[in-house]
Amino acid sequence: QSALTQPASVSGSPGQSITISCTGTTNDVGSYNHVSWYQQHPGKAPKVMIFEVSNRPSGVSNRFSGSKSGNTASLTISGLQAEDGADYYCSSYTNTSTLWVFGGGTQLTVL
Amino acid sequence: QVQVVQSGTEVKKPGSSVQVSCKASGGTFSNHAISWVRQAPGQGPEWMGGVIPVFGTLNYAQKFQGRVTITTDESTSTVYMELSSLRSEDTAVYYCARHGGNYYFHGMDVWGQGTTVTVSS
Repeated sequence: QSALTQPASVSGSPGQSITISCTGTTNDVGSYNHVSWYQQHPGKAPKVMIFEVSNRPSGVSNRFSGSKSGNTASLTISGLQAEDGADYYCSSYTNTSTLWVFGGGTQLTVL
Repeated sequence: QVQVVQSGTEVKKPGSSVQVSCKASGGTFSNHAISWVRQAPGQGPEWMGGVIPVFGTLNYAQKFQGRVTITTDESTSTVYMELSSLRSEDTAVYYCARHGGNYYFHGMDVWGQGTTVTVSS
């Protein structure tokens, strides 16, 4: 069982927007702005899409945005494209010996 | 642009140990924290431990304390992760990931390609 809770799946049509939630606790998401989101295609390594809650690395489309409220972080993808179909994982720094925790992942299907 | 290159696929017997290596290509790890993360089939990633070479700091998740050892060879910009007393539940893809700075709270921004470790009798 993963430390952070994400919906198992979401879907949307091309051009639409979707939001993936990530719920933690006051030990992680609720206490730190060190929240990252990763995109993972089958058989590939995770790729960071958002870091520090809402920052995009260079080269990541501005269609990807992140936010946080209390113990819940969110990833929004606007203007869905076919290539956005992948698994998405949230991750947060924690105040336990397990310095980083992850969500169980959300499979995004672009219809 | 630094890349992280890991060693190849491993197949191990239960009770044995495995060592996975992680080398910086096109740069060094010297000013970055490095973490090891594993991902079992169909599961989310799991942080195992890390090292901050510039401080000589080692940290391990409680779950893996006593079974995992992380070492570094700064002369070759290589980090090693050894996991002992392997069991079938350790079958996973093991990733090395570089943090964006020399503290763990910086997110993991560059990941290796992953090393598949299969534990089977």
